[in-house]
Order: sequence, then structure tokens, then C-alpha cells
Amino acid sequence: GESVGLHLPTLSVQEGDNSIINCAYSNSASDYFIWYKQESGKGPQFIIDIRSNMDKRQGQRVTVLLNKTVKHLSLQIAATQPGDSAVYFCAEKSSGGGADGLTFGKGTHLIIQP
Amino acid sequence: DTAVSQTPKYLVTQMGNDKSIKCEQNLGHDTMYWYKQDSKKFLKIMFSYNNKELIINETVPNRFSPKSPDKAHLNLHINSLELGDSAVYFCASSQRGGSNNSPLHFGNGTRLTVT
Repeated sequence: GESVGLHLPTLSVQEGDNSIINCAYSNSASDYFIWYKQESGKGPQFIIDIRSNMDKRQGQRVTVLLNKTVKHLSLQIAATQPGDSAVYFCAEKSSGGGADGLTFGKGTHLIIQP
Repeated sequence: DTAVSQTPKYLVTQMGNDKSIKCEQNLGHDTMYWYKQDSKKFLKIMFSYNNKELIINETVPNRFSPKSPDKAHLNLHINSLELGDSAVYFCASSQRGGSNNSPLHFGNGTRLTVT
């Protein structure tokens, strides 16, 4: 079936460096994408979202890039901090209607090295 | 604090028992969800509930049943618990309104362990 997935299960970066987490999706009807951060023992926390009519969106220290041609989504985190260590999920939703929530990718564990 | 809250945080029970997990949101959202997260961190939707419209993921066993006494609550009842039900269960809510594009807000999860 159609799915959302991540390329790398674990990503380790030095504190202060920039990190990029990638996500591929296969549902061409997807028109809304979200990045979530999940810390240990907590629920997924919204970071940033992007709609399919955009290719870039920036937040505080985070940027999401969307390439609909190759069905690819990325999350860039600038100047990483220890608090950025978490599992990051991309999620997508199609415009097919119905209260059927989001489809999540498998998650990337981001580790910030001191 | 505005939030999605679920109780209990931890639930340990034996096979065959019936248990419930409660969820409440004070965000004024019109749609609530239950997700299951397995040991590999994969999040999978179980149910969504909007204005008395229940959409069930077809892979969810009928031992699982959501109950919504009002718009702010969506509880999860599980009958005849099995070992494979052990997981972390997350409640979430969103404001659908006229658009499908709004983020979900999650609770902090209930870790269910079936022995």
C-alpha cells in the first residue's frame, strides 16, 4: 500500500551543526505534510507543517522543504542543541476527506553529540 | 494548561482482562483519534471520531472500541486483552472544520503491558 517512510533510522550530529532529516512519501494525493518530534516518554509534538502548494517553509531554527516531483520531504534543523535529541516523524495527509488522521513514517532518531 | 490528557500513563494487566484508557482534550477540537505505537516506534491510526462519525482502521480488532461521551472525550475500551496488545497508545485531537489540513495534538501516551 501507499506509505510514508524515512531514509535513515538514526542520525548523529555534533552540537551546533545543522542536521537534515529526510522523508519519502508515495501517495501522490498527499497535500499536507507535518514534522513531529517525539521525546522519550512523551507524545509526538508538532514542529512545522507545509501544504502542497508550497515548497519551503521556515520556523524557528527549522525549515521544511517539499519536493513534489520526487515525493520528498526534509526537515532542516539549524545549530542543533542537546534538546533536539529525539525521534522525528514525518506525516502526511491526503485531501480525500474523512476524519482519518495522519499517516506517519517510521521515524528517525536524531542524536546530538556534545 | 490547554492539552490532550490521557490516563493512566501506565497500565499493566493480565491476558483476558478488559481495560479502558481515558482521553480528554480542552483545545475545543472537533475530531479525536487513537493511535498505537509499537516497539519499533511505528505510529498507526486506530480510530478517528468527528461529530459522531467514527472511522475505524480496518486492521483494528473489534475487541477495541472507542466511546465518546462528548466532543472533548474519546475513551478506548479493550476487551479480552492479548499479549500483542502491549504497546503505547496515544490519543490526539485536531480541528477539522472545513479543512482537512490541521495538525494533530497528541497526549503523552499510555503504556499498556499485557502479561
